[in-house]
Amino acid sequence: DAGVIQSPRHEVTEMGQEVTLRCKPISGHNSLFWYRQTMMRGLELLIYFNNNVPIDDSGMPEDRFSAKMPNASFSTLKIQPSEPRDSAVYFCASSSQTGYEQYFGPGTRLTVT
Amino acid sequence: SQQGEEDPQALSIQEGENATMNCSYKTSINNLQWYRQNSGRGLVHLILIRSNEREKHSGRLRVTLDTSKKSSSLLITASRAADTASYFCARPSGGGADGLTFGKGTHLIIQP
Repeated sequence: DAGVIQSPRHEVTEMGQEVTLRCKPISGHNSLFWYRQTMMRGLELLIYFNNNVPIDDSGMPEDRFSAKMPNASFSTLKIQPSEPRDSAVYFCASSSQTGYEQYFGPGTRLTVT
Repeated sequence: SQQGEEDPQALSIQEGENATMNCSYKTSINNLQWYRQNSGRGLVHLILIRSNEREKHSGRLRVTLDTSKKSSSLLITASRAADTASYFCARPSGGGADGLTFGKGTHLIIQP
């Protein structure tokens, strides 16, 4: 298996622009998680899905952030409009229903100027 | 914050020595996990210990859990340069197989 796939790996955008991050979980995994990592705040859970349904989005910082999972093999995290304080590394992870361990993608490094 | 807290924040040792990292948490858990993150990479799951377990081994890794003290430790024996990374403990944010709450991590440097 190729593992969790994220794209793009790097994104540089200007303040006010829309940003869409993409994730393909490991085949057969039915839980998907979005995290954000910054030096100041460490790793934060933003939202997670079970069987494509959002379960807990309490970590989503603002209404500017939205996430979707239209099917079992694809999820997006959108920021609109983006702000410099959104600059971070965004990770997607997936896990199976029977296991607690999560498998992380390589992350998307977002820079908003 | 209900994040776990690792200590030390940074640790530098010589290759071949053992490295011990500690993690404390505040709420009851049913399991605790340890992850490794190499610079610029995603996190890699190392080991999961359940609340009814006191110790678990995986290769050169040994994890202990003391639920009465709400603490865990990760021991890496016979360290290698390739062990240089950040190590995080994580606990489920809720009660089951859901999102994780991570600590701030311990940055481990193995000097050759």
